[in-house]
Parts: sequence; structure tokens; C-alpha cells
Amino acid sequence: KQEVTQIPAALSVPEGENLVLNCSFTDSAIYNLQWFRQDPGKGLTSLLLIQSSQREQTSGRLNASLDKSSGRSTLYIAASQPGDSATYLCAVRPMDSNYQLIWGAGTKLIIKP
Amino acid sequence: EAGVAQSPRYKIIEKRQSVAFWCNPISGHATLYWYQQILGQGPKLLIQFQNNGVVDDSQLPKDRFSAERLKGVDSTLKIQPAKLEDSAVYLCASSYDPANSPLHFGNGTRLTVT
Repeated sequence: KQEVTQIPAALSVPEGENLVLNCSFTDSAIYNLQWFRQDPGKGLTSLLLIQSSQREQTSGRLNASLDKSSGRSTLYIAASQPGDSATYLCAVRPMDSNYQLIWGAGTKLIIKP
Repeated sequence: EAGVAQSPRYKIIEKRQSVAFWCNPISGHATLYWYQQILGQGPKLLIQFQNNGVVDDSQLPKDRFSAERLKGVDSTLKIQPAKLEDSAVYLCASSYDPANSPLHFGNGTRLTVT
């Protein structure tokens, strides 16, 4: 059974720093992995989707990597800003599902001005 | 492109009452999902539709929850009767291709059962 873990549950860093958020999963048989952002009281916003055949995806200051063999993905945020403060969730789409997503519990990120 | 629309944004009801949530997905998105999110947790899938057919409702508490997607567009999720443990945010999402496309979420409905 696929399980997704995000550690740490919370992270606080000063503005301007580069940072890495981690996501690990137990079964490498996946279609893709997605990173989402959730602001308080809001729904989730899709940030990056990495297909199983890809190693990384980039969007602006965000870079997501995927290493299926080790069951790990990272979300790299460059030059962090207070507006990056949010909860970041990762989700994998296993191959043995009806294309459903298996979710991590998220990492709450606080960028201190 | 208009996003996923949900209403209401907030709802407070007493236990044993009923409540309904509405969702309008992004135009052209055949797949629609209803999720329940408890504070501090990832979303839990309640039901997934492909057009107007149910793909998966294995985690839907069918004794009290029901959902429909008439005509393969809008969807409603109903709870009757509500329990205290149903207090959560109910999120609707849609996607163009369930295998390869990202999910687009609405802002959710925050339900409080007292």
C-alpha cells in the first residue's frame, strides 16, 4: 500500500534563503507526483507535476525533482519570500489505482521577514 | 480560464441536520473529485466522477453521504444526518485527464457541526 510522508511537518526560515521541502513514498510504481500549495482558508493550488519519466520540473523560483528508485521528491524554493508562507503538500498517483492521488500531510512553511 | 467554483464557503449546522455543497468544475474537465480535509491532514478522497459516472466511492460513508453529477458537469455532495466528526473542509477538484493532468481545486466549504 502506497504511503506518502512529508518531513518536517513545519519549517521556519528567514527571508531570502533557499530551502528544500521533502516528500517520500513507499512504492515506486507511480504515474506522476504533484506538489501543491495551500494557503489558510483556501483550496489547493497545483505548483508542479512531474511525470514518472521525468527527473525534474521548474516553474519560476520553484524546482521539483523526482527519484523514483529511492522514493523521494524534493521541492526547492529559491530566494524565499514572505509570500511563500503556506502549507506545501505532495501527492503521488500510483499505477494500481483509478488515477487517484495518495497525499502527504504537508509541510507548513513560514518565511520570516 | 475560470477556476473551480464551490458554494457555500462556510456552513454551520447542528448534528443530525442535513447540508448540501455545490461544485462547478472547470469547463471541459471530465473528472471531478470531492475531498474531505481535516485540519492538519492531507485531503481524503470521498468520491471521484468521470463525466457522470462514479469511478471510486470506496471511502464515502454511504449511510449518510451522497453525491451526484447530473449531466456530467456540476456536482452536489450531501450529508444527512450530519455528525460532529463531519466538521471539516470539503474540497471539490477537477482535472482534464485523470492520469496525467494536474488537479484544480476550488476554495472549499468549511463545515462546522455543533
